Amino acid sequence: QLHLQESGPGRVKPSETLSLTCSVSGGSINIMNYYWVWIRQSPGKGLEWIASVYYSGSAYYNSSLKSRVTISIDTSKNQFSLNLMSMTAADTAIYYCAREWGEGTGWFLDTWGHGLLITVSS
Amino acid sequence: SSELTQGPAVSVALGQTVRITCQGDSLRTYFASWYQQKPGQAPVLVMYSRNSRPSGIPDRFSGATSGNTASLTITGAQAEDEGDYYCNYRDSFGNHVFGSGTMVAVL
Repeated sequence: QLHLQESGPGRVKPSETLSLTCSVSGGSINIMNYYWVWIRQSPGKGLEWIASVYYSGSAYYNSSLKSRVTISIDTSKNQFSLNLMSMTAADTAIYYCAREWGEGTGWFLDTWGHGLLITVSS
Repeated sequence: SSELTQGPAVSVALGQTVRITCQGDSLRTYFASWYQQKPGQAPVLVMYSRNSRPSGIPDRFSGATSGNTASLTITGAQAEDEGDYYCNYRDSFGNHVFGSGTMVAVL
């Protein structure tokens, strides 16, 4: 059974860069037809997609965050990562990693990590 | 518009039927998926590609799409169905859009 686990600092200071890693176990990340995704949820709010990456390294970004975000994949370690620069209090959220699968006009997020709360505070 | 609109909350009596809707022009083109989120937990996929349920999701959950509206119906709601439900689609550019979520209370 596929398992995703987020790891990261838990707390960052304003203006710093957040670096998160999602470790994938129970299956390979180096496989066609799956994307690997970061999503976040501010306290008491809804879900916000951040970015997606394919095993080849090609990536999609939320236009509202694109200038600050980099997503990458390391197939040798079976993990993918997120960097979010210039953090502010508005970036305080639970960050989830997930697997995306589908085809054509139907794609969905079938496996999620438990999430990691990231607090921006000095 | 790429946005998805969901009602904020709905309640249902135990054992009764509740329908949650999600509206957006993009749903005329892309299939919606639905996610259940309970307090303190990660979202869980409960419906995809109009009316497909992942393994382990009870068959009291069903999905449909008509025009620009996707719906998720729970027939015979149980106490464990309480939670927030989010609709979502992914466009051809790889962008994901989520609805604002609907809170379901089972009375």
